[in-house]
Amino acid sequence: EAQVTQNPRYLITVTGKKLTVTCSQNMNHEYMSWYRQDPGLGLRQIYYSMNVEVTDKGDVPEGYKVSRKEKRNFPLILESPSPNQTSLYFCASGAGLAGPTNHYEQYFGPGTRLTVT
Amino acid sequence: AQSVTQLDSQVPVFEEAPVELRCNYSSSVSVYLFWYVQYPNQGLQLLLKYLSGSTLVKGINGFEAEFNKSQTSFHLRKPSVHISDTAEYFCAVSDPDRGSTLGRLYFGRGTQLTVWP
Repeated sequence: EAQVTQNPRYLITVTGKKLTVTCSQNMNHEYMSWYRQDPGLGLRQIYYSMNVEVTDKGDVPEGYKVSRKEKRNFPLILESPSPNQTSLYFCASGAGLAGPTNHYEQYFGPGTRLTVT
Repeated sequence: AQSVTQLDSQVPVFEEAPVELRCNYSSSVSVYLFWYVQYPNQGLQLLLKYLSGSTLVKGINGFEAEFNKSQTSFHLRKPSVHISDTAEYFCAVSDPDRGSTLGRLYFGRGTQLTVWP
């Protein structure tokens, strides 16, 4: 089954304790992205990756890091989480430049609800 | 960068009534347009998309949307809603002409559709 998986689905942590949210896709997509969803603000892009070893900042990258060492994985790293990073996080993937129409049809993971106290 | 405006944050309707969820975007020579739906406690699912061709696009679950280039709008409609349509709906735009941001989706803030019996 084609899917995007995220782990963990729920996480409660304390300020300053480094954490990683994993994201994996099995569709051989080139494009992957992380979003955060906050009430009344919709989805805002944190980072995206056009392909392996190619990452770039989205609209709200402060406090986050990403890496893309393999095509299927795109982990989101919070080196020193703060309460304002409490949010619902979504990973998404798309077909990339190789797919002229599917490229823009992005598939979303189930979300990770993060609470930082 | 594109900006997307969803004019209504909440739309309450009764079952079997028609509904229209409005979406406007900032002007561009060409755009790709999407509607995503998020059911409670779930990730985002693609409802429909406009890439090119006919301006009336049909999606899943009886929804349709019309692309209006002159008004830079992409309103979502359904002639008769069901209680199961209760969800949050997001309009998204991608700008295919911007090479450096190819594939980026810009989301509106969402519209909560609540269908009452």
